[in-house]
Amino acid sequence: GIQVEQSPPDLILQEGANSTLRCNFSDSVNNLQWFHQNPWGQLINLFYIPSGTKQNGRLSATTVATERYSLLYISSSQTTDSGVYFCAVVGRLSGTYKYIFGTGTRLKVLA
Amino acid sequence: EAGVAQSPRYKIIEKRQSVAFWCNPISGHATLYWYQQILGQGPKLLIQFQNNGVVDDSQLPKDRFSAERLKGVDSTLKIQPAKLEDSAVYLCASSSVGGRPYEQYFGPGTRLTVT
Repeated sequence: GIQVEQSPPDLILQEGANSTLRCNFSDSVNNLQWFHQNPWGQLINLFYIPSGTKQNGRLSATTVATERYSLLYISSSQTTDSGVYFCAVVGRLSGTYKYIFGTGTRLKVLA
Repeated sequence: EAGVAQSPRYKIIEKRQSVAFWCNPISGHATLYWYQQILGQGPKLLIQFQNNGVVDDSQLPKDRFSAERLKGVDSTLKIQPAKLEDSAVYLCASSSVGGRPYEQYFGPGTRLTVT
């Protein structure tokens, strides 16, 4: 099946710093989403980005589907950015579409 | 637009007992998913419905887990009997088939502790 790996697994930043999170996937995909899981466990949609580049405030994301990776950029990080960031892909396998989550990047932003 | 609703938010049971979780998806979303998230891991898909039919249940432990989506709206996930390793957060998500297909929206989850 499709493998989804995220890096780095853990990241500690000082407030105001910038960071780049990476998601690699092993096969072609039909969709890719980035989520932020806050400390209360809620998964919040950040981007629906099967290809191309999108920006939303201090966050932006780029997916290069032909090279099988996606990047999430966080600029001027704030303590509220802390939590776990997941990418999730949708790939076609045995005639059905399968959702697979990555391993996650745990981010802690220090005041 | 109301989000995905789940209940209960928390549940503590003893092993070998049964438990049920409820999910109400976003209005108009035909596809509904149940995930299990064990502490420190990413969510794992248990079952996917489109309307009231099962699309994928390949990772559902069918000897103890069951799920239904009557009338293609609400869904219930049941565990009977529960084991210690079932302690996890159970997440429900939904997506539409039109617009941006496969864009999932998640509910707040149900945190299950099995003692």
